[in-house]
Amino acid sequence: DTEVTQTPKHLVMGMTNKKSLKCEQHMGHRAMYWYKQKAKKPPELMFVYSYEKLSINESVPSRFSPECPNSSLLNLHLHALQPEDSALYLCASSQEPGSAGELFFGEGSRLTVL
Amino acid sequence: QKEVEQNSGPLSVPEGAIASLNCTYSDRVSQSFFWYRQYSGKSPELIMSIYSNGDKEDGRFTAQLNKASQYVSLLIRDSQPSDSATYLCAVNPDNYGQNFVFGPGTRLSVLP
Repeated sequence: DTEVTQTPKHLVMGMTNKKSLKCEQHMGHRAMYWYKQKAKKPPELMFVYSYEKLSINESVPSRFSPECPNSSLLNLHLHALQPEDSALYLCASSQEPGSAGELFFGEGSRLTVL
Repeated sequence: QKEVEQNSGPLSVPEGAIASLNCTYSDRVSQSFFWYRQYSGKSPELIMSIYSNGDKEDGRFTAQLNKASQYVSLLIRDSQPSDSATYLCAVNPDNYGQNFVFGPGTRLSVLP
């Protein structure tokens, strides 16, 4: 069983809605990530938090807004999304930033934008 | 631009055979290498990590790394239908960043 928990598992939203994806890890990891994955493509990095501070933002549109309330939690706030934003959103964590350690994924949140 | 390449497949092998999955990477200074298995509609699951040249075995899985050739492979012995999935190769280009680079994945089909 994964130790990275994501909610909700499925989300359908309209283009004017505001919603949030949530992620929690209990492994004591200090780096947390958001990835986006489209069908038949590899995961695409969106954001990285190291020690609760945003360290990487891969030029993601502002309609995606990440938040790291504490070392165990990571949120992704969604607003005014487009249908092309429909994808599997993956949260991941790794032990220490810069440790070259392994990346562990949650089960993902499948987002559909109507 | 740092790149990771894999054959997209599908790679089809009969049940009980050895499946061989290959990956090449462009950044010569890369230090950490990972194999993930992803079933359709599911999230990637880490199955192997390798950091040093040579072989690393874990059950039916063997990862092989050759940094001089910038090549990493995954062998699956006694392949089972349950091994049918997409296998993603991932490379951490350096030991100080978190920007893992993923290959496009190889789809493996194990035929009963």
